[in-house]
Order: sequence, then structure tokens, then C-alpha cells
Amino acid sequence: DGGITQSPKYLFRKEGQNVTLSCEQNLNHDAMYWYRQDPGQGLRLIYYSQIVNDFQKGDIAEGYSVSREKKESFPLTVTSAQKNPTAFYLCASSKAGTKITGELFFGEGSRLTVL
Amino acid sequence: GDSVTQMEGPVTLSEEAFLTINCTYTATGYPSLFWYVQYPGEGLQLLLKATKADDKGSNKGFEATYRKETTSFHLEKGSVQVSDSAVYFCALSSYNNNDMRFGAGTRLTVKP
Repeated sequence: DGGITQSPKYLFRKEGQNVTLSCEQNLNHDAMYWYRQDPGQGLRLIYYSQIVNDFQKGDIAEGYSVSREKKESFPLTVTSAQKNPTAFYLCASSKAGTKITGELFFGEGSRLTVL
Repeated sequence: GDSVTQMEGPVTLSEEAFLTINCTYTATGYPSLFWYVQYPGEGLQLLLKATKADDKGSNKGFEATYRKETTSFHLEKGSVQVSDSAVYFCALSSYNNNDMRFGAGTRLTVKP
């Protein structure tokens, strides 16, 4: 079945460490996104990519980095520069940019806790 | 910029009660509007959508009508079930943005 796979589902990190969250999709979608979800704040966009080897910052990109070397993969690195990284992270994809199709498909999320 | 405002929760209802979750938006141009649902511990799933004014989106007994005159897209269901307990997000997508704009989410709990 086609879908989006995020891993790990749960991750614990010590302060000062970088961690990388994996996101893989087999939907043949061009666009991929990372959102952060905090209680009561909805979803906030971290980064998005509309084609391979290209990506743009979202509203809260500081302290995060991404790469898009393959169409299927869009990993997110939470760096030590991110001051409050404890959150639920959601990866999504769409057939094209949302301005064209408007529908996002989501993974099941990764919960990061900083100890 | 474009944004979505939805009613704060949590909302607690008894089974078979009527549900309304309010959503209003601010956008230039003509956005598409969406309701997504998130069950505990999962990602979001598209519930319904409407792409132009006066369109009605519907799915699983839920409905929402795109009202341009009131910039609203309220979610309704005539008779909720325990299995409808989840967090509901209103969202918009427009030609001004390359991403989806989400509301803060409304947690619904349905009691038997």
C-alpha cells in the first residue's frame, strides 16, 4: 500500500545533540513537508520541498535542517540550536504544491522528547 | 497572510448529539478549504474539502459549506458517535502559499 512512513515513532534526545527524523513516501509525490505540532497551537510549517534538491523555509525553520536528495525521502534534522525541540513532528506529501492540489497526506508522526 | 481561526475546545458531547465546530478564515483570492481529523497517536487524515464558494464537502456524516460571504467553513454532524472522538483541524490552501495553513485544532470527546 502507498503511504508515508516516519521513523522513529518515539525519540529521546539529550540537550546538545542533533537528531534526524526519517520520512519516506512511495506515493510518487513531488512535494514534501515537515510540520511541528504543539498542544493548542495547531501545525506550524518547518520546511517544504517541491522538487528534488530544492527546499524552502517555513515559518519556524530556525534550528532545523533538511535535505531532498531523492524524491521519496525528506529527512529532518533537529539541531542543538533548536531551543525547544520537544514536540510531535509530522511529515506530509502532496502530488504537487498545495496551491495546485490542496490535499496533504500525512505520516503517523514522530514524538521527540528532550531530556 | 492567510490564516484560519477555529473554535477553541475541548468539546464534550453525548453520543447522538449534534456537532458544530466553527471555522473562519482570512485569505486573499479564493482558497480551498479543508477539514482534517487526527485520531490519538496518529497523523492527520483528510475528512472533507471544498474548493469554491457554496461548495459543500461531506464524508462519514460530516458536512461543511464554503461560505465566502461570511468567510466560514463550519463543520457539522447530525449525530456523533464515540468513534468520532478526535482532534479536528480546519485548513486552507491558496495560490498565495506553497503550504497548507491550519487552525489550532478542536478536540472532540464523545461520551456513551
